[in-house]
Amino acid sequence: EVQLVESGGVVVQPGGSLRLSCAASGFTFDDYAMHWVRQAPGKGLEWVSLISWDGGSTYYADSVKGRFTISRDNSKNSLYLQMNSLRAEDTALYYCAKDISRGVAPRYYFDYWGQGTLVTVSS
Amino acid sequence: DIQMTQSPSSLSASVGDRVTITCRASQGISNSLAWYQQKPGKAPKLLLYAASRLESGVPSRFSGSGSGTDYTLTISSLQPEDFATYYCQQYYSTPPTFGQGTKVEIK
Repeated sequence: EVQLVESGGVVVQPGGSLRLSCAASGFTFDDYAMHWVRQAPGKGLEWVSLISWDGGSTYYADSVKGRFTISRDNSKNSLYLQMNSLRAEDTALYYCAKDISRGVAPRYYFDYWGQGTLVTVSS
Repeated sequence: DIQMTQSPSSLSASVGDRVTITCRASQGISNSLAWYQQKPGKAPKLLLYAASRLESGVPSRFSGSGSGTDYTLTISSLQPEDFATYYCQQYYSTPPTFGQGTKVEIK
């Protein structure tokens, strides 16, 4: 059974930093690209970032580019999101999500999602 | 970025009703469209991809159609467990973008 379990969400002040983690199990982690997708309270879904299966390629939404860094450790079946210079508008539930496509070409849609970890940016 | 617009934003329906949700892209997306269902407090669940292909394990009462810029999700006979919010998402170009959601409520 595929499982994605996020952690690390807390209340942080504007301008602060935070690192989210996602522990994956039930599939061959290093075969798949992985994503972060967020959802502000009561709002819709926003794609945040992608990392390729080997960590060699990363992509970001314009809203987080230069502030967030996605990474992965395939030896630990783990995905990360380093979030710096946090703003109130970054307040959201952050989901890690598995790309549907196995291999080098991600498809940018998602067949498994974690339950999310809540990041609140507030003074 | 490609903008995705869903309609309606919400609807009320009864068990057994046929429900249709529309998703319009700001440019052609060549059937690179997925639909997700999200229940309160839960993660989204993939229902369909490639506009009309049913994800494994998803009931056949869900179907999708469309082409170019206009796509629809149809629930042929609404069941109690289908009351949820539905999102479309294009993956034709980066960044992938979602519609604003359609909340299906009990009449």
